[in-house]
Amino acid sequence: DAKTTQPPSMDCAEGRAANLPCNHSTISGNEYVYWYRQIHSQGPQYIIHGLKNNETNEMASLIITEDRKSSTLILPHATLRDTAVYYCIVRVLGTPLVFGKGTRLSVIA
Amino acid sequence: DTEVTQTPKHLVMGMTNKKSLKCEQHMGHRAMYWYKQKAKKPPELMFVYSYEKLSINESVPSRFSPECPNSSLLNLHLHALQPEDSALYLCASSQAPGSPKMYEQYFGPGTRLTVT
Repeated sequence: DAKTTQPPSMDCAEGRAANLPCNHSTISGNEYVYWYRQIHSQGPQYIIHGLKNNETNEMASLIITEDRKSSTLILPHATLRDTAVYYCIVRVLGTPLVFGKGTRLSVIA
Repeated sequence: DTEVTQTPKHLVMGMTNKKSLKCEQHMGHRAMYWYKQKAKKPPELMFVYSYEKLSINESVPSRFSPECPNSSLLNLHLHALQPEDSALYLCASSQAPGSPKMYEQYFGPGTRLTVT
């Protein structure tokens, strides 16, 4: 699996958009970008995934650069409940998740 | 029902004890997973079952013994553990490879294990 690089921590004001970056410069053509998050004392939760097109669902948007070497997860209106560790994972479809260190997002009132 | 349940929530065991962790899902998923998570670290994959057969063992010590008795249940049998095995043990499930929604893994809340 391609290696991912994320900032260790970020802050975001409540109600503002949270933009979480991820670098995956060694991604191969059949690898997808996945985002999961883990709220304190809970199991990880799927957020979104994509291959090369931008994706949006009820939780977030995923922007993937044209060369696919980086991506950004956007939480459009962050709330206190979005405080969590966010994991960017690159993997071939159907293979198990392998977690990196992630980004600890703190949403501040 | 999109829930993965795990029991017990907390477990304290001595190094000579034998105990089991249980995981259950009723989503019809045919892939199930065990992860181990130490404090302030990301989850680490331990085992993967696909169609009730062990498909991946990430070089886990034999004191951890997984079992998948049917498509809804996954057990992790523990014997002669060490204090450094204390961690949060997470179970997850997903559609089997080839299924339309196999990209999403559903996680349980975990069992917090303390070995004394």
